[in-house]
Amino acid sequence: NAGVTQTPKFQVLKTGQSMTLQCAQDMNHEYMSWYRQDPGMGLRLIHYSVGAGITDQGEVPNGYNVSRSTTEDFPLRLLSAAPSQTSVYFCASSSLSRVSRSSYNEQFFGPGTRLTVL
Amino acid sequence: AQSVTQLGSHVSVSEGALVLLRCNYSSSVPPYLFWYVQYPNQGLQLLLKYTSAATLVKGINGFEAEFKKSETSFHLTKPSAHMSDAAEYFCAVSEGTGNQFYFGTGTSLTVIP
Repeated sequence: NAGVTQTPKFQVLKTGQSMTLQCAQDMNHEYMSWYRQDPGMGLRLIHYSVGAGITDQGEVPNGYNVSRSTTEDFPLRLLSAAPSQTSVYFCASSSLSRVSRSSYNEQFFGPGTRLTVL
Repeated sequence: AQSVTQLGSHVSVSEGALVLLRCNYSSSVPPYLFWYVQYPNQGLQLLLKYTSAATLVKGINGFEAEFKKSETSFHLTKPSAHMSDAAEYFCAVSEGTGNQFYFGTGTSLTVIP
């Protein structure tokens, strides 16, 4: 299994440009999420999805769109890039929690995309 | 509402010394708790997790953490630091419903030879 893959690894954009960060997983996980990592701020949740056709906002959703047409893929779109979106972006996936608390929902992370907006 | 507080953004220990990284959480329901490690220019890897079984949780690479409900803490320890332990460590909490994870701001561990 490849796990969680992300492309590209690096990207430089100019202010106002748009782009899509790709994320795919081959573990048949229902749950997928996008985080951004900034120095001193840890990881902040941007958007997440609990299954195909279902998405929801996280802590910092403004300026980002997502869609989930398949279980495997969860792309993140920047419609009009801003310098404040310069960050490292991580995609993660996990199985959904179950009723029994003996289950767990460990997240598996991709290698990240380093985005710079000039 | 959930949140995680990691005390100490940078911790330095000598090789062979005890590693103690602190994590306190807030949660309205019994939480799932996790420690992740991030090596330079890599994604996050799970070190260990607490899911309401034993309060002392053992993870990979000799790390362990103890869930203390009365103190709302989940501190990470390792008896003897190794140079390869130098990394960024993140504590995370999930209530297990809604599947939202909340991460702390991270603690950078430096191991001094």
